[in-house]
Amino acid sequence: DAGVIQSPRHEVTEMGQEVTLRCKPISGHDYLFWYRQTMMRGLELLIYFNNNVPIDDSGMPEDRFSAKMPNASFSTLKIQPSEPRDSAVYFCASSLSTSGPASNEQFFGPGTRLTVL
Amino acid sequence: DQQVKQNSPSLSVQEGRISILNCDYTNSMFDYFLWYKKYPAEGPTFLISISSIKDKNEDGRFTVFLNKSAKHLSLHIVPSQPGDSAVYFCAASAWGTSGSRLTFGEGTQLTVNP
Repeated sequence: DAGVIQSPRHEVTEMGQEVTLRCKPISGHDYLFWYRQTMMRGLELLIYFNNNVPIDDSGMPEDRFSAKMPNASFSTLKIQPSEPRDSAVYFCASSLSTSGPASNEQFFGPGTRLTVL
Repeated sequence: DQQVKQNSPSLSVQEGRISILNCDYTNSMFDYFLWYKKYPAEGPTFLISISSIKDKNEDGRFTVFLNKSAKHLSLHIVPSQPGDSAVYFCAASAWGTSGSRLTFGEGTQLTVNP
């Protein structure tokens, strides 16, 4: 039973380059979340989708960041152009809304460690 | 504006003793709270949760306590084991207003020494 799959696991790029992070949620889950982990702020929510529709992107740092979910089994987070301060671990998570807050449990992927030189 | 705060970046305890991790929140709309555990190079995994209608939830060695008036929750691990060494994230949701969205704290690195 596959969990949330993220690729690549590690990405090293140079400042100014475009970076695309990929996520495959757990089959049947209707929520997908993108987070960024930093020492200062812990896990920051960047954007989340419900049934492939973006619900809240207020956490996206700036216009250089964009996310898409073209179908229920795939999402991308793109940074263009990338900057050294974007270096962090990016997590994708998914959840299934059934009834009530107990369905708030989110299942996380292993993360993508991004380094921008 | 950090609505969920874990003021201790790290905690070190001896094996067999109790570990107490703390979390404070500011948003009175939060009604469900979760703890996640994260090992290096892995994603966070769900550990235990509590609804705002309760003040305690226990699962084996893990107990979460909620003090709504103080807007404070804590995770107790007893007895602590070396395998519990990980980063622990506190998270909160306002189910009635923002559904499945979770707000996380900064995390606390727990080290259990043999």
